[in-house]
Amino acid sequence: QLQLQESGPGLVKPSETLSLTCTVSGGSISGSSYFWGWVRQPPGKGLEWIGSVYYSGSTYYNPSLKSRVSISVDTSKNQFSLKLSSVTAADTAVYYCARHGGTSRYFDSWGQGTLVTVSS
Amino acid sequence: DIQMTQSPSSLSASVGDRVTITCRASQGIGNFLAWFQQKPGKAPKSLIFAASTLQSGVPSKFSGSGSGTDFTLTISGLQPEDFATYYCQQYNTYPLTFGQGTRLEIK
Repeated sequence: QLQLQESGPGLVKPSETLSLTCTVSGGSISGSSYFWGWVRQPPGKGLEWIGSVYYSGSTYYNPSLKSRVSISVDTSKNQFSLKLSSVTAADTAVYYCARHGGTSRYFDSWGQGTLVTVSS
Repeated sequence: DIQMTQSPSSLSASVGDRVTITCRASQGIGNFLAWFQQKPGKAPKSLIFAASTLQSGVPSKFSGSGSGTDFTLTISGLQPEDFATYYCQQYNTYPLTFGQGTRLEIK
């Protein structure tokens, strides 16, 4: 059974870079037709797609965050990672890692989510 | 970007009721629409994809319909575990976008 697990600091200072990693178990990132993505949810609000990466390293980003986002993949560790730079309080959210298909780009598997708070 | 608008934003219903949630896309998306259920403190759970196809393991009390710009999620025979927030997501084009959510509450 596929499992995704987010990890990383729960507190980040304003203007710094948020870094999270998603570890995939029960399946391989490599050689599959799936994309691996990040979705966030500010407290009490809705879902926002941040971006996605293919095992080859190809990426798609939300234009609203593109200037600050980088998503990478480490197939040797079966992990993918998110970096979001120059964070502000508006970036405080639960961050989910999730999987979607290459053509059927709906999220069919999700991590449990991790709360990241931006505060000094 | 394609904007997804759900209605209503919140809905009160009783156990046993049948409810319908609507999702409208700002432009045509074919049938590239998914529905999710989210309970407090939990990750979203996929219910339906391709507008009307049930994800494996999802009970048939959930059904979806629509194409183009207008879509619906119907839940029949509401049970206490169905009271949650529901989101639609379009995946016709990047950026992937979600509706703002519909909170289904017990009356």
